[in-house]
Amino acid sequence: GENVEQHPSTLSVQEGDSAVIKCTYSDSASNYFPWYKQELGKRPQLIIDIRSNVGEKKDQRIAVTLNKTAKHFSLHITETQPEDSAVYFCAASPYTGGFKTIFGAGTRLFVKA
Amino acid sequence: EAGVTQFPSHSVIEKGQTVTLRCDPISGHDNLYWYRRVMGKEIKFLLHFVKESKQDESGMPNNRFLAERTGGTYSTLKVQPAELEDSGVYFCASSPTGYEQFFGPGTRLTVL
Repeated sequence: GENVEQHPSTLSVQEGDSAVIKCTYSDSASNYFPWYKQELGKRPQLIIDIRSNVGEKKDQRIAVTLNKTAKHFSLHITETQPEDSAVYFCAASPYTGGFKTIFGAGTRLFVKA
Repeated sequence: EAGVTQFPSHSVIEKGQTVTLRCDPISGHDNLYWYRRVMGKEIKFLLHFVKESKQDESGMPNNRFLAERTGGTYSTLKVQPAELEDSGVYFCASSPTGYEQFFGPGTRLTVL
């Protein structure tokens, strides 16, 4: 069945360092790849997304890369700050008249001050 | 603009009982999704409404789960009878286009 593998499950970095979270997906029909951030006690919120016709997208300190051939996409956070600490979820979705979004298991990121 | 709201925020029930969760999407959002997250695992897709129609309900675990969206506005998810493995956080999300999804705060369901 469809699934999204996400690694690592936990990531601890020093403030100012970079953090990279990697995901692979199984459904070759997937063409939309959002990333959600869930802070403690809050709801998941979209932070960046990429569509299959683009290989890379950047928004300030965060960037996402996509390799459709390898079915692999990654989130890069540069110059991490303590407020980046949260659980990050990758997801993959095929737009086939609807959006059955398949999420990864999440990465808990700790940014140490 | 008001966000997605869910009620209740927490529910603790005995095995075999019935629970109904409610989701109010952002006004004007035709797409409404239900998800469930069991502790430490992925946010699992349950189903997707477009207005009042079920677009995809392939993630519903079994026939103990029933989702409705009368009139294309709010939605309810009923679990009857509840089992221990139904425990988790149930999220609702809405979207105007199906791309960016706006999540509710979730309902934490505990089945004892």
